[in-house]
Amino acid sequence: QPQLQESGPGLVKPSETLSLTCTVSGGSVSSSSYYWGWVRQPPGKGLEWIGSVYYTGATYYNPSLKGRVTIFIDTSNNQFSLELNSVTAADTAVFYCARHYQHSMFYPWGQGTLVTVSS
Amino acid sequence: QTVVTQEPSFSVSPGGTVTLTCGLTSGSVSSTNYPSWYQQTPGQAPRTLIYNTNSRSSGVPDRFFGSILENKAALTITGAQADDEADYYCVLYMGSGISVFGGGTKLTVL
Repeated sequence: QPQLQESGPGLVKPSETLSLTCTVSGGSVSSSSYYWGWVRQPPGKGLEWIGSVYYTGATYYNPSLKGRVTIFIDTSNNQFSLELNSVTAADTAVFYCARHYQHSMFYPWGQGTLVTVSS
Repeated sequence: QTVVTQEPSFSVSPGGTVTLTCGLTSGSVSSTNYPSWYQQTPGQAPRTLIYNTNSRSSGVPDRFFGSILENKAALTITGAQADDEADYYCVLYMGSGISVFGGGTKLTVL
C-alpha cells in the first residue's frame, strides 16, 4: 500500500488561506483507479470529508465547504494539495489525506497534521 | 439535508458482541451507499475496517463484520477485546461524488 504524508503550516491567521500538501510514496496519484481525498477532524469532534481529486484534476467537494475549498493534483511530484480560504477558528482541525475509492472507502490514511487558526 | 446518524455511545462486556448502526435521517441505507467503517483511538489516524458494506480491509480480523440491518448499515464486533475500545465512524456514499461521515460512536469495553 502507498504511504501518505501531510505537510504544511501548523498555524494560519484568520481570514487567510490554509494550504496543505499530501505526498504519496509507494504508489502513483496518476492511477485511474483511485481518487485522493482530504478529511478533517476538529479537536474533540468527529471526522468530516472535505473533498477528493482524480488524476485528471476532476474534483468533488463537501457542499458545506464549497466555495472555500480547492483541491488539486500534481502528478509530476506525486502529490495532491488542499487550499481552504477565509479560515476562521472553526477550521482548526487535524487534517488527514487518504486514498479514496470504492465510493466511500478511505485507505490508507496519512498520519494527520494539526492546523490551528489563530492570530 | 440528509444526515448520517450513529449512536453516540455504546458499551460491551469483554468477550461480548455489539452491533453499531449507521442510518439516514431521511431514507434507508442500502448497498448503493457503499457503507464503510473506521476505528479511531485517541491521537491516531482512523483505521479502515470495512468497505462496500461487508468487505474487510487488509489485516482486519473476522471479529468485525459489516452488513445492512433494518435499513441501516451495521458493524458487528464479536468477542470484544479491551483494545476494541475506540470511536467508530461510518461513511456513506450519497451519490454525485459526495461522501458523508456519521457523527461517530464511542465504544466502551467494560
